[in-house]
Amino acid sequence: QVQLVESGGGVVQPGGSLRLSCAASGFTFTTYGLHWVRQAPGKGLEWVAFIRYDGGNSHYADSVKGRFTISRDNSKNTLYLQMNSLRPEDTALYFCSRGSATGSPPFDCWGQGTLVTVSS
Amino acid sequence: EIVLTQSPATLSLSPGERATLSCRASQSVSIYLAWYQQKPGQAPRLLIYDASNRATGIPARFSGSGSGTDFTLTISSLEPEDFAIYYCQQRNDWPLTFGGGTKVEIK
Repeated sequence: QVQLVESGGGVVQPGGSLRLSCAASGFTFTTYGLHWVRQAPGKGLEWVAFIRYDGGNSHYADSVKGRFTISRDNSKNTLYLQMNSLRPEDTALYFCSRGSATGSPPFDCWGQGTLVTVSS
Repeated sequence: EIVLTQSPATLSLSPGERATLSCRASQSVSIYLAWYQQKPGQAPRLLIYDASNRATGIPARFSGSGSGTDFTLTISSLEPEDFAIYYCQQRNDWPLTFGGGTKVEIK
């Protein structure tokens, strides 16, 4: 079945870096764009970044632009989020989610999330 | 960026009642609006995409309507498992944005 599994979260000091991963299975990875969405504790959902199916285009939320980089390795069916210059307000549960493809709407599949805590 | 405003913030209803949730966009998003349900400790679940299309496996009691700037999610008769937080989201323009959510709680 379609599955997305995030990893790489943890506790990091302000100004530090972290790389999240999202391992995909159960679908043709190379035909889907992918998203990162985050949720601060007790708060709502915030879209973070998107990467096209071939890695040829990406988009970012203004709040992370210039600090976060989304990438993918289609040979490993894995999505990444490199997070630099982390701030306390980046503390959140980070979800990966599948984008759209022919006959398939975006955000129809989500991982369980990985928690990032930015604190000194 | 497009701001989505959801109302009400909280909806207190009893099982069997009809729930009507609203999402208003700061500018037109055409039909590119989705609805999600989220329960505590779980990832969001896609309910409705492109304003009115039910996602796979979503019961018929969930329906979506609207276009442009005004959208509605209707739950025709609340089941116990429907008490949760509901978010709308637009994908008409970058950056994608979510509404602040409506909590549907048991009265």
